[in-house]
Amino acid sequence: NAGVMQNPRHLVRRRGQEARLRCSPMKGHSHVYWYRQLPEEGLKFMVYLQKENIIDESGMPKERFSAEFPKEGPSILRIQQVVRGDSAAYFCASSPTGLGSNEQFFGPGTRLTVL
Amino acid sequence: AQRVTQPEKLLSVFKGAPVELKCNYSYSGSPELFWYVQYSRQRLQLLLRHISRESIKGFTADLNKGETSFHLKKPFAQEEDSAMYYCALNFPGGTSYGKLTFGQGTILTVHP
Repeated sequence: NAGVMQNPRHLVRRRGQEARLRCSPMKGHSHVYWYRQLPEEGLKFMVYLQKENIIDESGMPKERFSAEFPKEGPSILRIQQVVRGDSAAYFCASSPTGLGSNEQFFGPGTRLTVL
Repeated sequence: AQRVTQPEKLLSVFKGAPVELKCNYSYSGSPELFWYVQYSRQRLQLLLRHISRESIKGFTADLNKGETSFHLKKPFAQEEDSAMYYCALNFPGGTSYGKLTFGQGTILTVHP
């Protein structure tokens, strides 16, 4: 099992462009979580998805950010019209169930830099 | 709202010394608490969770509901323990089940 995969590992965008971050969960995991880590801060929850459903998006900024986890393929975190403040490390985690006691397995992260 | 506080951003000890990484939380119910660790150039991984009451790599953590703390301890630190440590909380129930709230992390450096 290759573990949680994220790509790209590094992404550079200019202000106003779109950023697409991909996350492939571990085999057999149908629950995906996205977290954002701003410089000098801890990880902050953004969104929790199951296949084809958004369960909790309470941590997502109201505008420009969206996430999906289609029936086939990876989960996508999409940021439209990026601004400098979006520069951060974005981590994806997966788990086999939504039980809070379950371990979440993390990907290596995507480091987004907005110029 | 639930919150996790790790008061020390940096912690340095010498090899063989005891180490304690502090974690306090604010939540009125019965939380589920975890310690995650990130070694250099590796991904974040689970170190231990309070419900398991296990000791991993010599580390233990006891949930103290009275003090709302979940400090991570090891009696004799090793150089390979140098890493970033995150305390994380999950509160059961509702649609937020499974979502983790992280502290800001503590960088532990163990000197030879």
